[in-house]
Amino acid sequence: NAGVTQTPKFRVLKTGQSMTLLCAQDMNHEYMYWYRQDPGMGLRLIHYSVGEGTTAKGEVPDGYNVSRLKKQNFLLGLESAAPSQTSVYFCASSYDSGQTYEQYFGPGTRLTVT
Amino acid sequence: GDSVTQMEGPVTLSEEAFLTINCTYTATGYPSLFWYVQYPGEGLQLLLKATKADDKGSNKGFEATYRKETTSFHLEKGSVQVSDSAVYFCALRAGSYQLTFGKGTKLSVIP
Repeated sequence: NAGVTQTPKFRVLKTGQSMTLLCAQDMNHEYMYWYRQDPGMGLRLIHYSVGEGTTAKGEVPDGYNVSRLKKQNFLLGLESAAPSQTSVYFCASSYDSGQTYEQYFGPGTRLTVT
Repeated sequence: GDSVTQMEGPVTLSEEAFLTINCTYTATGYPSLFWYVQYPGEGLQLLLKATKADDKGSNKGFEATYRKETTSFHLEKGSVQVSDSAVYFCALRAGSYQLTFGKGTKLSVIP
């Protein structure tokens, strides 16, 4: 199993450009998440999904959109990138099974917006 | 709302030193508590967890005990190694599938 994979690993955008980050998981997890990690801020939840076709806002959703058309994929879109969106983005997935709950993380995408 | 406060870093220790990283939380109900570790250039991995009061989570020589009376989940290791150098995150889950993370503590272990 590959676990959680993210594409691309690195990207540089100019202000105003758009892009889509792809997250894929092969563990048949229902729940998927997008976080951003900034120095001194820990991880902040951007959007999440509790199943195919459903999405919801997290703590910092502004400037981002998401889609979950297939259970195994969760896409994060930036329609008009801003320098404030320079960050490392992590995708995660989980299967909610009570006491065995665990979020599995991808390796991250480092995005720079100039 | 739910929150996690962990000690600010960075923390620098010599190899074989004792490690403590403090973590306290605020949450409604009875949260599950987690420690995640992030090695350089990688994503987060679950290190250990505890799901109820007085539970002790342990893995790779690390331990943490869920203390409801002090709302704490401090991470400890008796003898750190250079390979333990990483960023450590305390997190909680309170009644949902979402995690609330602390800001992370960077640990550097020098030979």
